[in-house]
Amino acid sequence: GNSVTQMEGPVTLSEEAFLTINCTYTATGYPSLFWYVQYPGEGLQLLLKATKADDKGSNKGFEATYRKETTSFHLEKGSVQVSDSAVYFCALTDTGNQFYFGTGTSLTVIP
Amino acid sequence: EPEVTQTPSHQVTQMGQEVILRCVPISNHLYFYWYRQILGQKVEFLVSFYNNEISEKSEIFDDQFSVERPDGSNFTLKIRSTKLEDSAMYFCASMRSDYTQYFGPGTRLTVL
Repeated sequence: GNSVTQMEGPVTLSEEAFLTINCTYTATGYPSLFWYVQYPGEGLQLLLKATKADDKGSNKGFEATYRKETTSFHLEKGSVQVSDSAVYFCALTDTGNQFYFGTGTSLTVIP
Repeated sequence: EPEVTQTPSHQVTQMGQEVILRCVPISNHLYFYWYRQILGQKVEFLVSFYNNEISEKSEIFDDQFSVERPDGSNFTLKIRSTKLEDSAMYFCASMRSDYTQYFGPGTRLTVL
């Protein structure tokens, strides 16, 4: 079946630090992969996506590369800001009929 | 930018009562979803809806749940007889054909 495993949180970083949040997946087909961000009290927002192997999704300084050989889609940012404090969810879908989310990783960035 | 809206923002109900959660998806989207998130936990898929019928549903989406698109703009989730464990945030989402989902702000359901 399909599933997503995310790095356990919470993660606390100082401003301008490098961020990596690990995500690995299990899928029966060729899924599309996503990172969503959830700010306190809000719904999820799509941060970036990749639809096939070796694609790199990027947005707002965040990047993730679809690695089929390691079944991974790790989220990275070179220099985090306080405003990046949120919960990050990795997700996948193969048909678009159902999306599978990871457990979420809470990030706090301190000045 | 168009957005998904949900009402109410907070619903309090007694166990055993019926609730209807409402969503207005983005107007030119064709795929609609309901998810729930128990406080601080993962986002759980409930159901997807396309072309006026359910595309897929999870094990959570039992006979107590139903969805409807009654008038071409609203998309509703009904829980017939609420249980304490139904207390959660419920998110509606709509999706473009490129798999980009847009989530609403959520309805917090509290079952007493």
